[in-house]
Amino acid sequence: AQRVTQPEKLLSVFKGAPVELKCNYSYSGSPELFWYVQYSRQRLQLLLRHISRESIKGFTADLNKGETSFHLKKPFAQEEDSAMYYCALVNQAGTALIFGKGTTLSVSS
Amino acid sequence: DAGVIQSPRHEVTEMGQEVTLRCKPISGHNSLFWYRQTMMRGLELLIYFNNNVPIDDSGMPEDRFSAKMPNASFSTLKIQPSEPRDSAVYFCASSRGGAGTGELFFGEGSRLTVL
Repeated sequence: AQRVTQPEKLLSVFKGAPVELKCNYSYSGSPELFWYVQYSRQRLQLLLRHISRESIKGFTADLNKGETSFHLKKPFAQEEDSAMYYCALVNQAGTALIFGKGTTLSVSS
Repeated sequence: DAGVIQSPRHEVTEMGQEVTLRCKPISGHNSLFWYRQTMMRGLELLIYFNNNVPIDDSGMPEDRFSAKMPNASFSTLKIQPSEPRDSAVYFCASSRGGAGTGELFFGEGSRLTVL
């Protein structure tokens, strides 16, 4: 079965601390994985995709097939990073995204 | 471009009433998705349209839910009759070329409360 698991509902860190938002998946074959972010009073939007191997707003995510993980990391958190983060996976049929339940990141000074 | 437009933004209704949620996708996008967001279950896909045709409606909870896309610029999600457990935020999203690109553009959502 295809599934995305985000084990943490809430992650609270201090400004300047490293951040790691966990995402694990189950999927047969090669998954296509993404991170979405929803800032307060804004729309849910794409943050980054694993295939691009990009760094967006200081965030990176590496696909680890052995551990079936796609954790989102940032070395130094900023207050403006406070938001809800969703990990997502393209379903087996290639028709839609399956989302995890999301993790709220709270960065305080 | 105003992005994906949903209406109403908020709806409060009583159990048993019919609810219709509306969505206008981004012009030129040929894929449209309806998702439901709840605290317990997160974001769940309800239905996916491609070129106005329903492709995957396996996420539609039951016969009380129906969705249509009469043309490329409009879609509706209807709940009849509504029940308190339908209370959620309903999101519409559109994309060019389906979910494979991973970039879905979301509307602001319609928050439904069924009393």
